[in-house]
Amino acid sequence: EVQLVESGGGPVKPGGSLRLSCEASGFPYSGYAMNWVRQAPGKGLEWVSSISSSGSYIKYADSVKGRFTISRDNAKKSLFLQMNSLAAEDTGRYYCARGPVQSSFDYWGQGTLVTVSS
Amino acid sequence: SYVLTQPPSVSVAPGQTAKIPCGGDNIDMRSVHWYQKKPGQAPILVLYDTIDRPSGISERISGSNSENTATMTITRVEAGDEAVYYCQVWDVSTGHPVFGGGTKLTVL
Repeated sequence: EVQLVESGGGPVKPGGSLRLSCEASGFPYSGYAMNWVRQAPGKGLEWVSSISSSGSYIKYADSVKGRFTISRDNAKKSLFLQMNSLAAEDTGRYYCARGPVQSSFDYWGQGTLVTVSS
Repeated sequence: SYVLTQPPSVSVAPGQTAKIPCGGDNIDMRSVHWYQKKPGQAPILVLYDTIDRPSGISERISGSNSENTATMTITRVEAGDEAVYYCQVWDVSTGHPVFGGGTKLTVL
């Protein structure tokens, strides 16, 4: 069974940093690209960043470019998101998602909540 | 950048058919994917490549695509179908995925 479990969220002050993690199991992790997708309170889904299976190709949404860094450790079947210079608009639940698989995101974690507030 | 437009809400009585549209420029040229999102739960892929259902997804869910509107259809709607549904495509100009704003399906 495919499982994605996020952690690392919590309260943080504006300008602060957080590092999110996603532990994967139930599939050959090193063979899949991975993503972070977020959902602000009362809003829709917003893609944040993606990383190829090898980690060689990385993309970011314009809203986080230069502040967030995605990485992965295939040996530990883990995905990370280092978030710096956090602002209130970064508040939301952050989901780890596998893909693209046939250009979709076929499995998602339950998410971890990030709250940026003074 | 590519924009997907969804109505904020759709309401339907139990047993009826719900149609959730997703508008986009020449969207019929793209593969459209649909996700179901219930409060407190992870999003679930319910349709990929416009018309295909992942294993375990009800046959009551189907998809279509025509010119500037993709549509997800749920027949014989049940209370358990109540959720927010998001469409998604890839923006070929940026190489980034794009989500619609989501449509809340209410079962009356």
